[in-house]
Amino acid sequence: DTEVTQTPKHLVMGMTNKKSLKCEQHMGHRAMYWYKQKAKKPPELMFVYSYEKLSINESVPSRFSPECPNSSLLNLHLHALQPEDSALYLCASSSLDRDRTSYEQYFGPGTRLTVT
Amino acid sequence: TQLLEQSPQFLSIQEGENLTVYCNSSSVFSSLQWYRQEPGEGPVLLVTVVTGGEVKKLKRLTFQFGDARKDSSLHITAAQPGDTGLYLCAGAVAGGTSYGKLTFGQGTILTVHP
Repeated sequence: DTEVTQTPKHLVMGMTNKKSLKCEQHMGHRAMYWYKQKAKKPPELMFVYSYEKLSINESVPSRFSPECPNSSLLNLHLHALQPEDSALYLCASSSLDRDRTSYEQYFGPGTRLTVT
Repeated sequence: TQLLEQSPQFLSIQEGENLTVYCNSSSVFSSLQWYRQEPGEGPVLLVTVVTGGEVKKLKRLTFQFGDARKDSSLHITAAQPGDTGLYLCAGAVAGGTSYGKLTFGQGTILTVHP
């Protein structure tokens, strides 16, 4: 099973709202990622969690707050977003076994976020 | 900073034609992944190459990793409309603070017309 699930599929929020995106994987992967993707562009890395600890923050604004409650779950809390934050938000996971599979990231279907 | 130059950016062809997408870098990568993404969906992993000179085949798709592990190519034989999508190459470097980070190419938008 190489499935990563994300909820919700679509989200429309105002600039004063607080919402959360959720991601789940059951592959036993110990690395999880959040990406932001604009149309027809490659994904841009936002955060990386390794063994449930934040290991990489790509200078993301504080209105995005990640959380990793356990090894299977990853959340992204959103607050006071701007219209330019509208994008497809992707979650991914990978193993940390230090073999060739550790480079392989498996992506979820994404959450299409629109900020009004 | 590692960069992956992917070309062409756009490709519009007729069903049955062959095509090649290239990813080039001045940096050495530990591995290189190829993904395909359809509109409204997440990228789907097609293949991983890790050894210089490695060639992998996936039905009509042939992937090659350069001998120096700085470049890669994806060749599609007899393209079909179902091959339409955004193709992404992504390189990874083992170890250090960058462990787990992928460097993505800019993507190739492929459209195959019936």
